[in-house]
Amino acid sequence: DQQVKQNSPSLSVQEGRISILNCDYTNSMFDYFLWYKKYPAEGPTFLISISSIKDKNEDGRFTVFLNKSAKHLSLHIVPSQPGDSAVYFCAASPNYGGATNKLIFGTGTLLAVQP
Amino acid sequence: NAGVTQTPKFQVLKTGQSMTLQCAQDMNHNSMYWYRQDPGMGLRLIYYSASEGTTDKGEVPNGYNVSRLNKREFSLRLESAAPSQTSVYFCASSDPDRPNQPQHFGDGTRLSIL
Repeated sequence: DQQVKQNSPSLSVQEGRISILNCDYTNSMFDYFLWYKKYPAEGPTFLISISSIKDKNEDGRFTVFLNKSAKHLSLHIVPSQPGDSAVYFCAASPNYGGATNKLIFGTGTLLAVQP
Repeated sequence: NAGVTQTPKFQVLKTGQSMTLQCAQDMNHNSMYWYRQDPGMGLRLIYYSASEGTTDKGEVPNGYNVSRLNKREFSLRLESAAPSQTSVYFCASSDPDRPNQPQHFGDGTRLSIL
């Protein structure tokens, strides 16, 4: 049973346009969400996070939106750059404020930004 | 500034062989984790260690053992490797003194079991 779902395996976007990556979750106990970016042959690197007490968090070109009633979050990248081409993982944890976060990951979305 | 270091980067084993994957972090983090990533799937937690001296099972612990050797090192052992354990293994660490800080990952160990 996949508790965190990324239903789009891949996404192609033109350079300079907006990339929108989506993530759905089923467990209402999740209250901390993260996005990781992964290049081939490297480990995931943290991108941005949001807690359930917020509905938006912004960091430069990256914005994460959380809709708790729909159990949906999205990552917006504006403007998209070729260097953003990577696999993006959504992750969730029921442990906001806890010292050890047992993360549940989605299956990832491969973003390709075309020059 | 190494962060999380995993060794080896690649390994090929025969079914039934044993193997220990090593992980070390230099960020003074108390919590450490082992994940596996399979094609078409996200990362799944195998075991984690909230602090030195403690270990707990994650989502997919069967066939694995772990040792938290000290604060820096957390190893993952396959006692009798099976083809189903062919995967990419990632180690991660996090800082419990700063709640909700993200986990930092190593670059992974690619393990093939024939």
